[in-house]
Amino acid sequence: AQSVAQPEDQVNVAEGNPLTVKCTYSVSGNPYLFWYVQYPNRGLQFLLKYITGDNLVKGSYGFEAEFNKSQTSFHLKKPSALVSDSALYFCAVRDSTSNYQLIWGAGTKLIIKP
Amino acid sequence: KAGVTQTPRYLIKTRGQQVTLSCSPISGHRSVSWYQQTPGQGLQFLFEYFSETQRNKGNFPGRFSGRQFSNSRSEMNVSTLELGDSALYLCASSPTRQLNTEAFFGQGTRLTVV
Repeated sequence: AQSVAQPEDQVNVAEGNPLTVKCTYSVSGNPYLFWYVQYPNRGLQFLLKYITGDNLVKGSYGFEAEFNKSQTSFHLKKPSALVSDSALYFCAVRDSTSNYQLIWGAGTKLIIKP
Repeated sequence: KAGVTQTPRYLIKTRGQQVTLSCSPISGHRSVSWYQQTPGQGLQFLFEYFSETQRNKGNFPGRFSGRQFSNSRSEMNVSTLELGDSALYLCASSPTRQLNTEAFFGQGTRLTVV
C-alpha cells in the first residue's frame, strides 16, 4: 500500500539557518511527489512537485526539494529560513496505482525562531 | 483568476443536525476533492468528483455524502452530526485527473458541533 512518512512532528530552526523537512514515501509505481504549506486557519498552498527529470526541484518562496529514488525520499529544503516560513508542511504522493488519490503525510510543524 | 471558494467559512451546529458545505472550484477545473482535517488525524480524504461522478471515496461512514454539479461546483453533506465531526473541511480542485497535476485548495470551512 502507498504511504508517506514525515518522521518529525516539529522542526525548530533559527532564522537565517538552512532548514530541512523530511519526507519518505512508499509506492508501487513511479511517484509523483508534492509539497504543500498551511498557515494557521488557512487551506493548503502548493509549493512544488517532482514529476520526472532533474532530482532537484525549485518551488515557491525559495523552497526546493531533492528527490532521491534509492532512499525513496523527497526532503524539502531552504538555504536561509525566515520567521515567516513558520507553518505546517505536508508531503503527498500519488502513483499510477492510486487512482489519482493523493496520499498525505501527517505534516511537520516548522518553527523559525528570530 | 479566482481561487477555490468554500462557503461558509465558519459553522456551528448542534449534535444530530445536518450540514451542507459548498465548494466552487477554479474556473475550468473539473476535479474536486474533499478532505477532513483534525489535529489528531491530519488530512483524511473524503471523496473526489470528476464530471459529476464520484471517482474515489475514503473510509468515512455513509453520513458523509457529496455531489458535483454540471458547472463543477460541489457540495458535501453530513447528516446526524456527531461531536467528532468537528473539523476543518477542505476542498481542492484540479483541471484534470492527470497524475502530475497539483491540487488547489480553498480556505476551508471550520465546522464546530456542540
